[in-house]
Amino acid sequence: YELTQPPSVSVSPGQTASITCSGEKLEYKYVCWYQQKPGQSPVLVIYQDANRPSGVPERFSGSISGNTATLTISGTQGVDEADYYCQAWDSNTGIFGGGTKLIVL
Amino acid sequence: QVQLVESGGGVVQPGRSLRLSCAASGFTFSSYDMNWVRQAPGKGLEWVADISFDGSNKYYTESVKGRSTISRDNSKNTLYLEMNSLRAEDTAVYFCAKVAATGIRKYFDYWGQGTLVTVSS
Repeated sequence: YELTQPPSVSVSPGQTASITCSGEKLEYKYVCWYQQKPGQSPVLVIYQDANRPSGVPERFSGSISGNTATLTISGTQGVDEADYYCQAWDSNTGIFGGGTKLIVL
Repeated sequence: QVQLVESGGGVVQPGRSLRLSCAASGFTFSSYDMNWVRQAPGKGLEWVADISFDGSNKYYTESVKGRSTISRDNSKNTLYLEMNSLRAEDTAVYFCAKVAATGIRKYFDYWGQGTLVTVSS
């Protein structure tokens, strides 16, 4: 099973960034999203498709439709520049997408 | 607060073995599944292994199956990953991660800082 993400997404400060994650029958799984900044451990930003952990800014949201999950960052800030990974489970195996570098410029 | 502290990484020759540890605190360790996730230098995240809260169920990614064993000691609040017949492609930072929820709803709510394993002669 594979999850496919675009290698990079560029966004201007204050604009909305959308990062996609595609996989077969993804709508029947649960997707979570992790943010990782250089030299740091990953941090959970969205779980079970659309839930935001406490402490994660409200500008982060998640959705899923058909074979594609989307992480949306509204009003993107410079601090949001990072790598983002989607993740799901298939037959007791954890699957990560290849990661998307969010560039804020 | 939840803390996960990995140790045991280092430089090891191909074909040799290594045991990684992850000391957990700040939560009831024996109630949660735990996982190992690795990241090769400059690459993405790769799931490695999963162990249920009581150690009764274990799952592995194909590339380490048969060469690695995930285990836990709930009396010591510690997670382990023993890796044998190490290969250059096992070179990575290894993270331990606490699991929240169950089944396909599972996700990693806390991560350790990682420990670097370098397989090189």
